[in-house]
This record gives sequence, C-alpha cells and structure tokens, in this order.
Amino acid sequence: SQQGEEDPQALSIQEGENATMNCSYKTSINNLQWYRQNSGRGLVHLILIRSNEREKHSGRLRVTLDTSKKSSSLLITASRAADTASYFCATDAYAGGTSYGKLTFGQGTILTVHP
Amino acid sequence: DAGITQSPRHKVTETGTPVTLRCHQTENHRYMYWYRQDPGHGLRLIHYSYGVKDTDKGEVSDGYSVSRSKTEDFLLTLESATSSQTSVYFCAIRVLGEQYFGPGTRLTVT
Repeated sequence: SQQGEEDPQALSIQEGENATMNCSYKTSINNLQWYRQNSGRGLVHLILIRSNEREKHSGRLRVTLDTSKKSSSLLITASRAADTASYFCATDAYAGGTSYGKLTFGQGTILTVHP
Repeated sequence: DAGITQSPRHKVTETGTPVTLRCHQTENHRYMYWYRQDPGHGLRLIHYSYGVKDTDKGEVSDGYSVSRSKTEDFLLTLESATSSQTSVYFCAIRVLGEQYFGPGTRLTVT
C-alpha cells in the first residue's frame, strides 16, 4: 500500500522561483522525511521532521507538517538548475514501541528548474 | 558519504536463475534495508535487518530472502529470478532515524 501520495507529479519552474511539493499520508507517523534523487543515482536524505514538530528549516529548504491533515510540504526557495531532481517523501509509521525505520515512500515529484 | 557499497552495480540474468545482491557498510550501523524502485511505484521495502541474524519482511518480500551474518554485510537473494523482479535495488542504512542509500543495483531478468 502506498502511504505517501505526492503532488504535483511534475513541476517545471525557472531559476530563482520557489518550488513547493506536497505529500499526504494515511496513518499515524513517528516522523516524515524528504529525499532527493538525481537521475540514475541513489537517494539523498534532505530533512526529517518529527510528528511533534510543525516546521523545520535547512538552508533553502522549509518543511511543514500538519498531522491533523496528515500532510507535509517541502518548499525550496530561490531554486537553481542544480535542484533539478526527483523529490520523495517517506513516512516512518507509528506502530507503538520500537521504531524499525520501515519507511514508506511516495511516488515522488519530478522537479525541473530551467536556467 | 555513508560508506555504503552495492555489488554488482549491474546484472543481467535469465529467468529461473538464483541471484544474490550484496550491500556492504563500513560504519557498523545496526539497521539495514533493501528497497526496489520501479516506475510508478517509488521505493518499496523488501526486507530489513535490525542486527546480525535479525531480519524481517517488508512490503514486497515475496520471492526474496535475506541474510545478515556480519554487521557490515546484508545480502538479498532472489532464489529463482522472474521478469517481474527486473528493477533497481537500493540498500540503505539507518543513522539517527535518517536513511542513507547505496548507489543501487540495476537488475534485468530476461
């Protein structure tokens, strides 16, 4: 089953613009994470936000989490051509007790930033 | 660099043959994971390990087995490869809740 659903599936913007990607999920979570994947490469961890956090920043990245709506958003400010990649949200579902880090990924948003 | 390597990086095999993929880490992290990535499905968890000889199934474990006899190595085996197992396979380790991925193995089953 797909826990995370991402929107939009593809996003095309110009350098300097902001990019916003959204993720919705279905079950209670320990945390939600965002990853980036350049074409043909492995995934790179961007940011982790815990279920008791509402907003987190890392450089040009801003992540919000609304557990009441079971949704998250990733904002990339002042985008660059080098930000062109696929972006995935992943949820670490709450199962009581120990978390084994079993992540469920969304299908991803393909971001293209034009120079 | 999380010190994760995967081997082989590319493999073409025939239906019905056994295949073993290897994931190696250099930092002695307890948790390791195997995912597959297919168009339209994102990444899906196959199996994971929470210690030497401690493994469990993920979302798409049918047709796969794993072993972890040493902390640094996590092996994924396809006992009898099928065309539906053509995919890109990623290994990952867990560090403070975050996961760090290897470069992937592209497997083609003909």
